[in-house]
Amino acid sequence: NAGVMQNPRHLVRRRGQEARLRCSPMKGHSHVYWYRQLPEEGLKFMVYLQKENIIDESGMPKERFSAEFPKEGPSILRIQQVVRGDSAAYFCASSPRTSVSYEQYFGPGTRLTVT
Amino acid sequence: GESVGLHLPTLSVQEGDNSIINCAYSNSASDYFIWYKQESGKGPQFIIDIRSNMDKRQGQRVTVLLNKTVKHLSLQIAATQPGDSAVYFCAENNSGGSNYKLTFGKGTLLTVNP
Repeated sequence: NAGVMQNPRHLVRRRGQEARLRCSPMKGHSHVYWYRQLPEEGLKFMVYLQKENIIDESGMPKERFSAEFPKEGPSILRIQQVVRGDSAAYFCASSPRTSVSYEQYFGPGTRLTVT
Repeated sequence: GESVGLHLPTLSVQEGDNSIINCAYSNSASDYFIWYKQESGKGPQFIIDIRSNMDKRQGQRVTVLLNKTVKHLSLQIAATQPGDSAVYFCAENNSGGSNYKLTFGKGTLLTVNP
């Protein structure tokens, strides 16, 4: 059973470009969570999605950031008009249901660098 | 060990020694705690968890201690091995609120010297 997959693993964007980060949850998991990690800091919750629904986006910046989890295909975290402060590691986790926290399995992350 | 603060604490131990990593949490309403291990270039990996109705829980080579009075959590690793070298995060959760939303500490870098 493959784990949570994220791609790309590394992404370099110039200021003003768009970044699209993809997350394929574990097989059988229909709940996805995105976290952001700044250098030498812990992960910070961004958004929680179920298939075709955003459940909680309280941790996501109101502008430029959006997330989706379509019926088919991976979950996408989209950052428009990136700025240097968006440089971070973005982790996706998945769970089989609205879970207690220990059932979240993390992917390897996408490291975004904005130049 | 060092408590998680505004910088990334570092703990250096000799192979075979026991390690103690500390974490202070701030939300008195948190009732569930997890320790994660994060190796370089990888995502966090679950190690062990504890609920607030317990003060100690043991796993394989690891023990978590919880002191709710002072809001302190520790992870003890017995007979530390080079493969234990990683950043260790504590995370807290309030299951009475959003039981999926983890709040992470800033981590402690553990280095095991052979």
